[in-house]
Amino acid sequence: QKEVEQDPGPLSVPEGAIVSLNCTYSNSAFQYFMWYRQYSRKGPELLMYTYSSGNKEDGRFTAQVDKSSKYISLFIRDSQPSDSATYLCAILLSGFQKLVFGTGTRLLVSP
Amino acid sequence: GAGVSQSPSNKVTEKGKDVELRCDPISGHTALYWYRQRLGQGLEFLIYFQGNSAPDKSGLPSDRFSAERTGESVSTLTIQRTQQEDSAVYLCASSYSRGQGRNQPQHFGDGTRLSIL
Repeated sequence: QKEVEQDPGPLSVPEGAIVSLNCTYSNSAFQYFMWYRQYSRKGPELLMYTYSSGNKEDGRFTAQVDKSSKYISLFIRDSQPSDSATYLCAILLSGFQKLVFGTGTRLLVSP
Repeated sequence: GAGVSQSPSNKVTEKGKDVELRCDPISGHTALYWYRQRLGQGLEFLIYFQGNSAPDKSGLPSDRFSAERTGESVSTLTIQRTQQEDSAVYLCASSYSRGQGRNQPQHFGDGTRLSIL
């Protein structure tokens, strides 16, 4: 079993839709949760960073962590074609430095 | 300010050759990481440097892989006797560490795309 599972997609939505991206993880000791966005031929760009259960909002993006279910989500409101990219979840153990990544979900937002 | 810089951006080489990849971290970032991203797969951790501490090499896939870092600046990742399965994007990241195991977000460069013929 992989430490972090993520549906690779692609996920295709029309412009303006609400997008839900999800990851599950197996190790309940994970404490830090991140979402990165990666455009083609670019490095991952940090979008959201949280270490607690609950919601964290930043503009059109909301990160949700449910530690009891070992489930994390990223919601994108009013999606735009410029949001088309691969979204990677990444998880970290406290005191450790090795990020564990999901495989990434490719998102396509059509105009 | 300047982000993480990696060079070269692309590298094509023949099987069996050695390659050296370079990473310039964000100024002031004491922690530096190397990851590998194979096509269609997530990022795999390779190695981590923190200040003058011994590096965490637990992710290096074989003894053909090695990395060095000069102080808290430039790092080089070397792959000896390259094999076709080494073809991947090699990504470097850096972060600011406040010590005591406090994790700060890692910021990535655009990577080096390595192709082994």
